[in-house]
Amino acid sequence: EAGVAQSPRYKIIEKRQSVAFWCNPISGHATLYWYQQILGQGPKLLIQFQNNGVVDDSQLPKDRFSAERLKGVDSTLKIQPAKLEDSAVYLCASGTGVNTQYFGPGTRLTVL
Amino acid sequence: GENVEQHPSTLSVQEGDSAVIKCTYSDSASNYFPWYKQELGKGPQLIIDIRSNVGEKKDQRIAVTLNKTAKHFSLHITETQPEDSAVYFCAAHRGNYGQNFVFGPGTRLSVLP
Repeated sequence: EAGVAQSPRYKIIEKRQSVAFWCNPISGHATLYWYQQILGQGPKLLIQFQNNGVVDDSQLPKDRFSAERLKGVDSTLKIQPAKLEDSAVYLCASGTGVNTQYFGPGTRLTVL
Repeated sequence: GENVEQHPSTLSVQEGDSAVIKCTYSDSASNYFPWYKQELGKGPQLIIDIRSNVGEKKDQRIAVTLNKTAKHFSLHITETQPEDSAVYFCAAHRGNYGQNFVFGPGTRLSVLP
């Protein structure tokens, strides 16, 4: 079974630029999560989808972050404009039930 | 909201010794407690989990214990090996759709040969 795929793996941008990350969950997984992991910290949930509907986006900085999940499969997370403090690893995870989640390798974002 | 604390932040053990990592949580409604292992450059991988109706769970060299009264749970690794070196995260979840996984800050475990 293929795992969660994410791209790109690394991205370097300057502040005020925009960036987008892509996630392809495990086939058949209805739940999809985006996390932000700042160096030395645990992952923090940004947004949770159930199929193509948003379940929780209470911790998503909506003035600059947006996410969508087209047709309940792939998802994109966008930051516009980026700030220095957005430098982090962005993790995507998917799952089949309430508690399950399988993580992708993440995208490491550096904002200069 | 839920708050998860984790100790220690770093842990070094000799190969073959045991390692114990402890977490505390604040929300008494949390009832699912997974542990993840994150190796360098990879996403977290689930290694063991426990639900609130169970006090202990074991899988080969890894075990987790839960004390719901005290709101703490622990990861025990016996006969540690160099490949156990990684960052370990605990998390807590209420067990319902729409509820967040709240992660601890992580423990960097180093197993010295």
